[in-house]
Parts: sequence; C-alpha cells; structure tokens
Amino acid sequence: DQQVKQNSPSLSVQEGRISILNCDYTNSMFDYFLWYKKYPAEGPTFLISISSIKDKNEDGRFTVFLNKSAKHLSLHIVPSQPGDSAVYFCAASASNSGGGADGLTFGKGTHLIIQP
Amino acid sequence: GAGVSQSPSNKVTEKGKDVELRCDPISGHTALYWYRQRLGQGLEFLIYFQGNSAPDKSGLPSDRFSAERTGESVSTLTIQRTQQEDSAVYLCASSRDIAAYEQYFGPGTRLTVT
Repeated sequence: DQQVKQNSPSLSVQEGRISILNCDYTNSMFDYFLWYKKYPAEGPTFLISISSIKDKNEDGRFTVFLNKSAKHLSLHIVPSQPGDSAVYFCAASASNSGGGADGLTFGKGTHLIIQP
Repeated sequence: GAGVSQSPSNKVTEKGKDVELRCDPISGHTALYWYRQRLGQGLEFLIYFQGNSAPDKSGLPSDRFSAERTGESVSTLTIQRTQQEDSAVYLCASSRDIAAYEQYFGPGTRLTVT
C-alpha cells in the first residue's frame, strides 16, 4: 500500500518555464512533508519542506503548496533551469512517531527534464 | 566530514555471501537512518538509530538483515546469505536528532547480488 504517490514518472519542461511536480498521500497522520532532489549516483538532497500548519512555503525559485483536504502537495520551480534536471522525491512524516522515528515515507519519484 | 559518507560505493557479491555496508553520519548528528531503493522504486525505510540504540527493527526485510551503530558515529548494515532480491542501492541518512524531520543522505552503496 503506497502511502505517498507521485503519479508522473517523468516530466519535461522548457527552460525558463514553470515546473510543477505533484504528490498525493493517503495517511492522514502525515503532518510534515519534504521534497528531495536526486542526481544519478548521488544520495537525495533536501530541497524544501512544509509543515501541515501551513499551506505554502517558498524558498527562492522553489515553492511547495499543501492542500490538506485533498491530501495533495506540489512543488513549483520557476523559472526552470537546466541544473534542475533530476529526480524529485516527495516524502512525508508523522509527528506522532517522534519526527523521524519511523523514517520518511517516500514516493517513487518524478524525473524532471529541463529542455533548453 | 562535511556530509554523510558511505562505503563501499559499489559492491558485487555472489548469492549466499555476507556483505557489510558502512555509513559515517554528519558529525554531531545523533539520529541515523538506513533506506533501500530498488530499481524503479522509491526509498524504503529500514531502520533508525537514536544514538546507538535501534528501538524498532521491524522495518528490516528479513532476519538476514542486521544493523549496528557504535556510539553516535559509524553504522554498519549487514546482510547475511545475500539473495538476488537484495540487489538495490542502500542509502544512509542522518539528522540532528530524532525530532528533526530533515534528513541528509549519503551517496549510497549499490549492491548487486549475482
């Protein structure tokens, strides 16, 4: 049973345009969400996170939106740059497990390809 | 070091052999996590340590898997009698403490069981 779903295995976006990566979750106990970026042969790198008490968090070109009622979050990257080409993982955690105690639950990832 | 390091980066082993994977967390991070990523899949949580204690081992795939951590430092993940389905990238992460959500990952060890 997949609790975090990224339904788009890949996404192609033109350089300079907005990239929107989506993530859905089923576990209502999740209250903290993170996005990680992964290049080939490297470990995932933390990108941005959001607590369930917020509906938006922005950091430079990256914005994460959370819709709790729909159990949906999205990562917006604008403008998209060639270096953004990577696999993006959505991850979630439930605070009743003490933050990281149950580890993070990850989606399968979306491969973002930025086209020049 | 500045980040999480793992060794070896690649390991090819024959079915039935034992392997040991090593993780050095970020200095000062008391929480350490092991994940597995099979081809085409997301990261699968295996086990965490708070200090050198692993309170919950239920995420380990089978009793052939074990993990240790000495102090608040190096951790080893051991797989005994490896099987082909153990082939995956094994990732280690650390965080400031168990209450911190942000985890910082190492580059992983790619294990191939032939």
